[in-house]
Amino acid sequence: KQEVTQIPAALSVPEGENLVLNCSFTDSAIYNLQWFRQDPGKGLTSLLLIQSSQREQTSGRLNASLDKSSGRSTLYIAASQPGDSATYLCAVTSLSGNKLVFGAGTILRVKS
Amino acid sequence: GAVVSQHPSWVICKSGTSVKIECRSLDFQATTMFWYRQFPKQSLMLMATSNEGSKATYEQGVEKDKFLINHASLTLSTLTVTSAHPEDSSFYICSARTGGTDIQYFGAGTRLSVL
Repeated sequence: KQEVTQIPAALSVPEGENLVLNCSFTDSAIYNLQWFRQDPGKGLTSLLLIQSSQREQTSGRLNASLDKSSGRSTLYIAASQPGDSATYLCAVTSLSGNKLVFGAGTILRVKS
Repeated sequence: GAVVSQHPSWVICKSGTSVKIECRSLDFQATTMFWYRQFPKQSLMLMATSNEGSKATYEQGVEKDKFLINHASLTLSTLTVTSAHPEDSSFYICSARTGGTDIQYFGAGTRLSVL
């Protein structure tokens, strides 16, 4: 059974800092990995999707990497801003069943 | 971009009543829709997967008679929580996917509070 773990559970940083969020998964047989953002009481916004054959994806100040063999992904946020404050969720799509399995998320707070 | 609308965003109901939540894909045809449940400070747990015109596939431990899912058209799926109890209080989120892609588009969620 696929399990996704995110570290840290919560993170508080001053504005302008670069930061890294970590995600690990137990079964490397994945179709893709996604990073989502969730604001309090809201739905999910997809940030980046990395196919299993890819190593990284970039969108603006966000960069996500994938090391499928070791079951790890990182989300790098450059020059953090207060508007980046949210919960960041990592999810993998397993080859079997084509379902998304989510981690518990990292709650990020960027202080101004 | 693809938009998924979920309604209502918040509902309060008395114990024993049934509540229906709608999930609509506004600008694309959703061949598959997913229903998730999220407890406070926890991650999303998949409840069921529904394909248009067929019965939903429920995850282990999810009571199909309690959580009725209907996916009657390519743009609408509904989740009905039957005989709701306080332990059913949670945040329910739907997502939709069109054929030929592995990207799911998420609704804004529905917060259910059962008194």
